[in-house]
Amino acid sequence: EPEVTQTPSHQVTQMGQEVILRCVPISNHLYFYWYRQILGQKVEFLVSFYNNEISEKSEIFDDQFSVERPDGSNFTLKIRSTKLEDSAMYFCASSVSSTHGEQYFGPGTRLTVT
Amino acid sequence: GESVGLHLPTLSVQEGDNSIINCAYSNSASDYFIWYKQESGKGPQFIIDIRSNMDKRQGQRVTVLLNKTVKHLSLQIAATQPGDSAVYFCAENMGAAGNKLTFGGGTRVLVKP
Repeated sequence: EPEVTQTPSHQVTQMGQEVILRCVPISNHLYFYWYRQILGQKVEFLVSFYNNEISEKSEIFDDQFSVERPDGSNFTLKIRSTKLEDSAMYFCASSVSSTHGEQYFGPGTRLTVT
Repeated sequence: GESVGLHLPTLSVQEGDNSIINCAYSNSASDYFIWYKQESGKGPQFIIDIRSNMDKRQGQRVTVLLNKTVKHLSLQIAATQPGDSAVYFCAENMGAAGNKLTFGGGTRVLVKP
């Protein structure tokens, strides 16, 4: 069964450093997402992406965040200058359709900012 | 602001019994709802979805009920098994182009043998 994969599973970084979280969506999916989950809290939407453009972003997704599909298989989330409050699980998801379509989630990357 | 919320943070259920997990939503524009299961250390896993033109949908051992009048969503799990122990989230989608999901706070289900 196809699945979304994410690397690394755990990333530790120092405050102010740049991190890139990587995702490989399901191969025939065209819509990609990033969500995050701070420990003990809700899963929160960050951004959706289609056709090499951001479709929607939340207020969390400020200028420190960016997304990219550098090739035909990877989808990345970059945080330029990490803050302590960026520590969270980051989930990538993908879907076939743009509305009312099941989003398949990856296993997540745990980001720890020290 | 509008949000999706859950009534019960933890639900303990005896193996073999039925489980009911509840969710309230406040955004009347939402027209698609999903239940996800999250096991420890894993990402959310799709369980079942329902569109706003329906009030009930059944899957394998799971049933989702939607009451648009009171903006309430529930997930029923029949004959709960140890493998059902997890955190369950409801999520809503307003059908906008970005396909954003808004998640509730989650309910932990603990299945007792």
